[in-house]
Amino acid sequence: AQTVTQSQPEMSVQEAETVTLSCTYDTSESNYYLFWYKQPPSRQMILVIRQEAYKQQNATENRFSVNFQKAAKSFSLKISDSQLGDTAMYFCASGTTSGTYKYIFGTGTRLKVLA
Amino acid sequence: DGGITQSPKYLFRKEGQNVTLSCEQNLNHDAMYWYRQDPGQGLRLIYYSQIVNDFQKGDIAEGYSVSREKKESFPLTVTSAQKNPTAFYLCASSYRDSPNNEQFFGPGTRLTVL
Repeated sequence: AQTVTQSQPEMSVQEAETVTLSCTYDTSESNYYLFWYKQPPSRQMILVIRQEAYKQQNATENRFSVNFQKAAKSFSLKISDSQLGDTAMYFCASGTTSGTYKYIFGTGTRLKVLA
Repeated sequence: DGGITQSPKYLFRKEGQNVTLSCEQNLNHDAMYWYRQDPGQGLRLIYYSQIVNDFQKGDIAEGYSVSREKKESFPLTVTSAQKNPTAFYLCASSYRDSPNNEQFFGPGTRLTVL
């Protein structure tokens, strides 16, 4: 069975600094997909970034980037130049290719950006 | 504007009552999902549907039921058999041709049992 683990329940970072959120996963599939979603205080979930497992190059979206270590089954999210609007819950998720498609989410990391 | 709507935003239920949470999307997505969110437990999958008139149980389906009679709609019924229904419920949708597809989420429904 697929699992996604986020071992940091809460983190904080000073505005303008860089923070890294950790995620590890376990899967028996050879092809899969990984995501980071953000849930701000409004509770509206939005996609931050995604990574296809067969691509070696790490995905980047503006201030957000990932460090994808396939052998270690690690998928961390780096937020550069943190802004107050980055304060949110962040969920790591994986998408399975076996049979019908579904997604497995981690338990989340609550990030607070301090002014 | 395309998106997903959920209603109501807040719902109160008395013990022993069934309640239905609405989820509608106009994104032309085939796949729809229901998640339950509890503090410290992330998102747990209740039910999902890849096409109309077909749906599968997720990890915590007991005490819940769904229907998918229209592509746009995927209502969730919380039955009296669900022993601890107080939670935040999220509906999502996506294209179904690849698990790389982004899931789009509704704003959620907060259900409280009185």
